[in-house]
Amino acid sequence: KQEVTQIPAALSVPEGENLVLNCSFTDSAIYNLQWFRQDPGKGLTSLLLIQSSQREQTSGRLNASLDKSSGRSTLYIAASQPGDSATYLCAGPGSARQLTFGSGTQLTVLP
Amino acid sequence: DADVTQTPRNRITKTGKRIMLECSQTKGHDRMYWYRQDPGLGLRLIYYSFDVKDINKGEISDGYSVSRQAQAKFSLSLESAIPNQTALYFCATREAGGGNQPQHFGDGTRLSIL
Repeated sequence: KQEVTQIPAALSVPEGENLVLNCSFTDSAIYNLQWFRQDPGKGLTSLLLIQSSQREQTSGRLNASLDKSSGRSTLYIAASQPGDSATYLCAGPGSARQLTFGSGTQLTVLP
Repeated sequence: DADVTQTPRNRITKTGKRIMLECSQTKGHDRMYWYRQDPGLGLRLIYYSFDVKDINKGEISDGYSVSRQAQAKFSLSLESAIPNQTALYFCATREAGGGNQPQHFGDGTRLSIL
């Protein structure tokens, strides 16, 4: 059974810092890894999807990497801004190829 | 207008009541999902559907049922609500394909059962 873990549960950084969010998974046969953003009172917004044949994906100030052998993915946020404050969730396919989610990292970027 | 719409956005009800949460989408996606989110536990899959005649149980289907009335509509029912079903419920859609398409989420229904 796929298990997805995100540490830390919460993170607070000053504006302008570069930061890394971590995601680990137990089933290395994963065929993609997705990162989502959740704002309070809102649903999840897909940020990046890394296919198993890829090692990373980039979108603007965001860069996500995937290392299947170590069971890890990271989301790198460059030059953080207060508007980046949100909960970030990662998810990978689990049983029946449906998504298994981590519990998220709540990010606060202080002005 | 939102691509994935959930109604109601908030609901407070009593133990034993029957509740229906509705989801409609304008994305034309075949695949639809219902999740619940509890603090500290992430999202867990309740049911999913790959087309109108296809319904599949997820990780935590006990106490829930679903209906796929049309490609665009997927409803979640709690036949007899209990307090531990208090949670944030999300509907999501995904385009059919090889599995490398992202899911698109509604804004959620916050359900409280007293």
